[in-house]
Amino acid sequence: KNQVEQSPQSLIILEGKNCTLQCNYTVSPFSNLRWYKQDTGRGPVSLTIMTFSENTKSNGRYTATLDADTKQSSLHITASQLSDSASYICVVSGSSVNKLSFGAGTTVTVRA
Amino acid sequence: GAVVSQHPSRVICKSGTSVKIECRSLDFQATTMFWYRQFPKQSLMLMATSNEGSKATYEQGVEKDKFLINHASLTLSTLTVTSAHPEDSSFYICSARDLSGWEKLFFGSGTQLSVL
Repeated sequence: KNQVEQSPQSLIILEGKNCTLQCNYTVSPFSNLRWYKQDTGRGPVSLTIMTFSENTKSNGRYTATLDADTKQSSLHITASQLSDSASYICVVSGSSVNKLSFGAGTTVTVRA
Repeated sequence: GAVVSQHPSRVICKSGTSVKIECRSLDFQATTMFWYRQFPKQSLMLMATSNEGSKATYEQGVEKDKFLINHASLTLSTLTVTSAHPEDSSFYICSARDLSGWEKLFFGSGTQLSVL
């Protein structure tokens, strides 16, 4: 069973609207959680990184939250743009910084 | 910022041939590089962890004689898919961890391998 579950699997939103992606994990012990954006046919690009003590972190129109008690994270996209169309991947690191658990990703499609 | 360069971005080859994929950290040193495989609409699957100057550590189910990894310097790791077959067709991605900080993990742009 995957230790990182993301939802929804995909979503479609209109340009200018907001959306929120969810990530639940069971990785323990927990070290850090990352959100990546992956365009089709490209490698992932880092959006945010959060450790146990951080509750929220922003990167432009992207805001990530983390609740280490409930082992949940969310990524909020504000005022979506067409260029936001991509797969968003949640990655959790446990006891070893080299051991990463990947979620399956949420595919976001922004339509004009 | 730090960049990981991966080449080639796309390769088409005949069954039975070998393909080499390069992963370079352009402006930082990386003692550890990672190789992943990704099927359409699926998550990245770690294949192996490559450590500079030593043998790679392969994940369970990954054939080390099939996927040869060499990490000869602090800025270069290569993955060679030997005797490629159509089932090896996939998107391969590398990542590199900057020595200076655990949080500095960067991904290459990926290589789409198609074996005919």
